[in-house]
Amino acid sequence: DTAVSQTPKYLVTQMGNDKSIKCEQNLGHDTMYWYKQDSKKFLKIMFSYNNKELIINETVPNRFSPKSPDKAHLNLHINSLELGDSAVYFCASSQGSGTNYGYTFGSGTRLTVV
Amino acid sequence: AQSVAQPEDQVNVAEGNPLTVKCTYSVSGNPYLFWYVQYPNRGLQFLLKYITGDNLVKGSYGFEAEFNKSQTSFHLKKPSALVSDSALYFCAVRDITGGGSYIPTFGRGTSLIVHP
Repeated sequence: DTAVSQTPKYLVTQMGNDKSIKCEQNLGHDTMYWYKQDSKKFLKIMFSYNNKELIINETVPNRFSPKSPDKAHLNLHINSLELGDSAVYFCASSQGSGTNYGYTFGSGTRLTVV
Repeated sequence: AQSVAQPEDQVNVAEGNPLTVKCTYSVSGNPYLFWYVQYPNRGLQFLLKYITGDNLVKGSYGFEAEFNKSQTSFHLKKPSALVSDSALYFCAVRDITGGGSYIPTFGRGTSLIVHP
């Protein structure tokens, strides 16, 4: 009954590869997000989607491309992976802006680029 | 613009003692303020929020936070710490009237260590 689930949990890959991380939420929320947490635990917003439409696209290399096939799913595809992409990536969801009940986060995907 | 600062990277407290994790914020308008907790290898969990009303807000697991507008602070507190409270705590702010971002800005996190 996981509310926000991400797969895979761990991902080790070589530089230059292309990889995807999947996210699904079963809360009925209409807004989903991708966050990047670096080695110093700093949490930075990457993208936000509301009802399948992109509403926030922070300064992120265009090698990162989110895709939302429906409002319960928000996947992240990364092309030409670089060492600096190594981090933990969190998917989150909320109803509206998340003001009333906050965000619900997934458990994270630890990406290691070697 | 909106920003948040957590001045302590780490807070150490003995079990049974009161704990405080500090947070200060900066907004142009009025703030929405949040606290989240992250346990090892887990995602962040929502603890509590301040939107409007009483300055003292109560949240999950016995935590509470006090909104202080004059000091632009939103410190997280608990009267009696448990070893199981050891985790990483994030403060977040959203400027709702000053043209701030739709998305809250998170602080850099404070590691709380509760010693038995």
